[in-house]
Amino acid sequence: GDSVTQMEGPVTLSEEAFLTINCTYTATGYPSLFWYVQYPGEGLQLLLKATKADDKGSNKGFEATYRKETTSFHLEKGSVQVSDSAVYFCALTHQGGKLIFGQGTELSVKP
Amino acid sequence: DAGVIQSPRHEVTEMGQEVTLRCKPISGHNSLFWYRQTMMRGLELLIYFNNNVPIDDSGMPEDRFSAKMPNASFSTLKIQPSEPRDSAVYFCASSPRGQGYTEAFFGQGTRLTVV
Repeated sequence: GDSVTQMEGPVTLSEEAFLTINCTYTATGYPSLFWYVQYPGEGLQLLLKATKADDKGSNKGFEATYRKETTSFHLEKGSVQVSDSAVYFCALTHQGGKLIFGQGTELSVKP
Repeated sequence: DAGVIQSPRHEVTEMGQEVTLRCKPISGHNSLFWYRQTMMRGLELLIYFNNNVPIDDSGMPEDRFSAKMPNASFSTLKIQPSEPRDSAVYFCASSPRGQGYTEAFFGQGTRLTVV
């Protein structure tokens, strides 16, 4: 079945460092891909999305490109801030409407 | 819009008791999802509804769990009897489309502790 695999955390970075969180997926056809963010004590919020191959989703300085050839959707940010500390989830949706999540990657940004 | 509203935010109950979690989706959304989040298992989809009809309940762990959606603005997740291993954060989410939706909006979650 469909699945999402993320790099394991926690990831600890200094402020203004470059961030990459890897995400790969397994799915037949052409799923839509998402990154969600969860701040402590809160629900998940959509960060960005891409619905077809080569699309780039972007929001709040974060970017991810839908790579069909490598079945990947890696999250990047050029300069992280302390306020970016959170758990990040990669997800996909496919036929039938189920939203399937990766295991989440905790990011901690130190001043 | 107030977003997806879940109640209660926190619930502490004794093993064997019945627990009911409630969810009000965003008005106009016709898909609703129940997720469970634990450290060990991450985020698991328990069940989802389209237009108030359960579409996939394969994630419901066992018969102790049941979910209903009597109308478009309300859903419940019930655990009877509850067990300590049910302790988790339960999220409800809704989406504006049925098949092939593009994103889901999550509530704040209900933190359940079964002692």
